[in-house]
Amino acid sequence: KAGVTQTPRYLIKTRGQQVTLSCSPISGHRSVSWYQQTPGQGLQFLFEYFSETQRNKGNFPGRFSGRQFSNSRSEMNVSTLELGDSALYLCASSLARSTGGTGELFFGEGSRLTVL
Amino acid sequence: AQSVTQLGSHVSVSEGALVLLRCNYSSSVPPYLFWYVQYPNQGLQLLLKYTSAATLVKGINGFEAEFKKSETSFHLTKPSAHMSDAAEYFCAVSGGSYNNNDMRFGAGTRLTVKP
Repeated sequence: KAGVTQTPRYLIKTRGQQVTLSCSPISGHRSVSWYQQTPGQGLQFLFEYFSETQRNKGNFPGRFSGRQFSNSRSEMNVSTLELGDSALYLCASSLARSTGGTGELFFGEGSRLTVL
Repeated sequence: AQSVTQLGSHVSVSEGALVLLRCNYSSSVPPYLFWYVQYPNQGLQLLLKYTSAATLVKGINGFEAEFKKSETSFHLTKPSAHMSDAAEYFCAVSGGSYNNNDMRFGAGTRLTVKP
């Protein structure tokens, strides 16, 4: 079974630009969560999608948005990039508890964003 | 609201010594608890999980953790450290609404193993 796939793995942007990151979950997983990881703030929850609906959202500004498609693939977008947005963005999929899962998250390898 | 506190951002042990990484949680409902490991430039990999079955949970790579409700703790241990155990370890809690995956992570503990 293929794991969680994130693209691109590395990217460099400049301040003010926008970026879109993509995540393909494990087949059969309908829940996709996004996290931002930085040395200073650690792992911070961005949002979670299930069946194309955002069910949960962390404490991030509106510049951070996401969506989920009918095939469970998800994208997140960051607009008007700031230097502080430089981070490793991790996507994780899971079999939702409501469908028999235990909430375990399966992570991709991440997309490392550098904002110059 | 649920949260996780990991005591010690850095832990250093000698190869062959006991590894003990501490985790305390707070949750308004019985939680699910997890330990993940992260190697450089990689995502997180599940080590073990507690989901209200046995309180002593065995995971991969010789790690285990014990859920102690009275102490709200879920410490991770390994009897004998190996050089390959050097990584960052995250404790996580998930609970709350049955329909939400709202996993929250601790700040992480970086484990160094000295030869």
